[in-house]
Amino acid sequence: GAVVSQHPSRVICKSGTSVKIECRSLDFQATTMFWYRQFPKQSLMLMATSNEGSKATYEQGVEKDKFLINHASLTLSTLTVTSAHPEDSSFYICSAPQKDIKNIQYFGAGTRLSVL
Amino acid sequence: AQSVTQPDIHITVSEGASLELRCNYSYGATPYLFWYVQSPGQGLQLLLKYFSGDTLVQGIKGFEAEFKRSQSSFNLRKPSVHWSDAAEYFCAVRWASWGKLQFGAGTQVVVTP
Repeated sequence: GAVVSQHPSRVICKSGTSVKIECRSLDFQATTMFWYRQFPKQSLMLMATSNEGSKATYEQGVEKDKFLINHASLTLSTLTVTSAHPEDSSFYICSAPQKDIKNIQYFGAGTRLSVL
Repeated sequence: AQSVTQPDIHITVSEGASLELRCNYSYGATPYLFWYVQSPGQGLQLLLKYFSGDTLVQGIKGFEAEFKRSQSSFNLRKPSVHWSDAAEYFCAVRWASWGKLQFGAGTQVVVTP
């Protein structure tokens, strides 16, 4: 299947700092990428949909100023957690649908964010 | 409202035994159906999918799933589980040819010796 690379896999930061997470589609172009958040023992919650060349679409209740999304190219989307606080600690996962195969979503390995 | 239900939060199965994970969805139209597996601290890996056609679909790692329109179900099965099958399993649906996935709550599978 297609490969989606997500970095870093784990990050620990101090409260008040910003953290950037990258998501790359390695062998296909992704005009759209999805960003999810997952709390322990829970399912995935869609945070936002990033679109190459346009603004991201955020789900209800997700602060767009807190979670900045940039879809810089057809293979790269970034999520920046600004002024991170301990409550932002979570597992963040990106995914990209591959158009050539009926938009099946392929997922990155996830980023474990711990804010101290 | 559209929903995806995985009734079993946790299942314990002996190695070598069969496994069945349940998934039901609401809404009238047949959605696009998926099963993903997540190992601890990892992203999701696609096991199999159903779009149309044969209602019994084969996936990777020896898994299969059967779509039953009359029951709005898409249950995942494996005849003989291996210790490496211990993971979290998510059923997901997409209600159109394009768009976001809606996930079930997940089923944690524990495999005992």
